[in-house]
Amino acid sequence: SQTIHQWPATLVQPVGSPLSLECTVEGTSNPNLYWYRQAAGRGLQLLFYSVGIGQISSEVPQNLSASRPQDRQFILSSKKLLLSDSGFYLCAWGQGPNTEAFFGQGTRLTVV
Amino acid sequence: DQQVKQNSPSLSVQEGRISILNCDYTNSMFDYFLWYKKYPAEGPTFLISISSIKDKNEDGRFTVFLNKSAKHLSLHIVPSQPGDSAVYFCAASAQGTYKYIFGTGTRLKVLA
Repeated sequence: SQTIHQWPATLVQPVGSPLSLECTVEGTSNPNLYWYRQAAGRGLQLLFYSVGIGQISSEVPQNLSASRPQDRQFILSSKKLLLSDSGFYLCAWGQGPNTEAFFGQGTRLTVV
Repeated sequence: DQQVKQNSPSLSVQEGRISILNCDYTNSMFDYFLWYKKYPAEGPTFLISISSIKDKNEDGRFTVFLNKSAKHLSLHIVPSQPGDSAVYFCAASAQGTYKYIFGTGTRLKVLA
């Protein structure tokens, strides 16, 4: 069966520090991968998605970047965090059109 | 531009009664719709989906209705149980894309 791992679960980082969140999927090949953010009291905002290794689509201009170095690995990064980067970050995978996406457990990022 | 809207931020229902959660969308290219349930500090869990070629899909206590002409979908939960208390998100995907666009969520509280 397929599983998705996302870590860490919580993270407190100072303003101006770098960020690296990692997500891996097991049990499937060539998944579509997604990073979403849920800000306090807000919905799920799509940040990045990838349909293959090295292919990244950015949905919202921001202080973040994403990379997909391997088929089932998706990384969310920042060189210098801002206070506004605080939120709940979710990784997800899907298998194509007209199928559901499956989410990881999320990372609570607090920038102080 | 909020393409998927959930205009009710919260809903309270008595245990055993029907819960109806609503969702509206603006993009006529959306052809696949999903509902997710989310508990605090966890990733969303997929509940049920519907393709635009259908107007109803049922899975146990959950039924999703789609009204394409009104660009409206709803999730019915019958009977509601206290364990259904969570935030519910609707999401949509457009033909030929791999993106899932989420609404802002509705917090359902089922009262015992």
